[in-house]
Amino acid sequence: GAVVSQHPSWVICKSGTSVKIECRSLDFQATTMFWYRQFPKQSLMLMATSNEGSKATYEQGVEKDKFLINHASLTLSTLTVTSAHPEDSSFYICSASGGQGSWNQPQHFGDGTRLSIL
Amino acid sequence: GESVGLHLPTLSVQEGDNSIINCAYSNSASDYFIWYKQESGKGPQFIIDIRSNMDKRQGQRVTVLLNKTVKHLSLQIAATQPGDSAVYFCAELTGGGNKLTFGTGTQLKVEL
Repeated sequence: GAVVSQHPSWVICKSGTSVKIECRSLDFQATTMFWYRQFPKQSLMLMATSNEGSKATYEQGVEKDKFLINHASLTLSTLTVTSAHPEDSSFYICSASGGQGSWNQPQHFGDGTRLSIL
Repeated sequence: GESVGLHLPTLSVQEGDNSIINCAYSNSASDYFIWYKQESGKGPQFIIDIRSNMDKRQGQRVTVLLNKTVKHLSLQIAATQPGDSAVYFCAELTGGGNKLTFGTGTQLKVEL
């Protein structure tokens, strides 16, 4: 149970394009979803927290106009990297919260999306 | 501070030996901690957790120890196997709700 699916797993695109990453909770309703960014050999850094039906809360230093988050349903959140540039290349990971009886797992993680901007 | 440019600390162990991975946390108000395992190209995988009202918790081949006095957490892996090779992160629940703050991580390498 508590499976989170992230798509695509890997994307390469040209500088200046926008890229959308999807995060789906497959077998539970996710009232909250989290988006992380991870550079090689580093830890996960929280970018934003999104609650279904409301605006996302961004962490300090994260540009909300650059990283658009939509959480329109209890099973889907999307992260759009707008006008992506090489410095946006990273590993983006989502997680979802809201499963029943899972006090010991506040977040369930997807397998990440590797974004490479040429 | 930022960790840009830093490499993950690495722990190398022989197969069959026990591994101990350490983590220091900063928020004395944190009351819940988790250890995650992250394999290359994948998301974090839950290993074991502990609440602040406990000092020790055991799972299958893993034990987590919590020392609140010095704000230190450790993960012990018994009889380490090649499949245990991964990056291990501690995380603490902060700020209310389900928000997690991750530690810097440790790369565990199991040598045959």
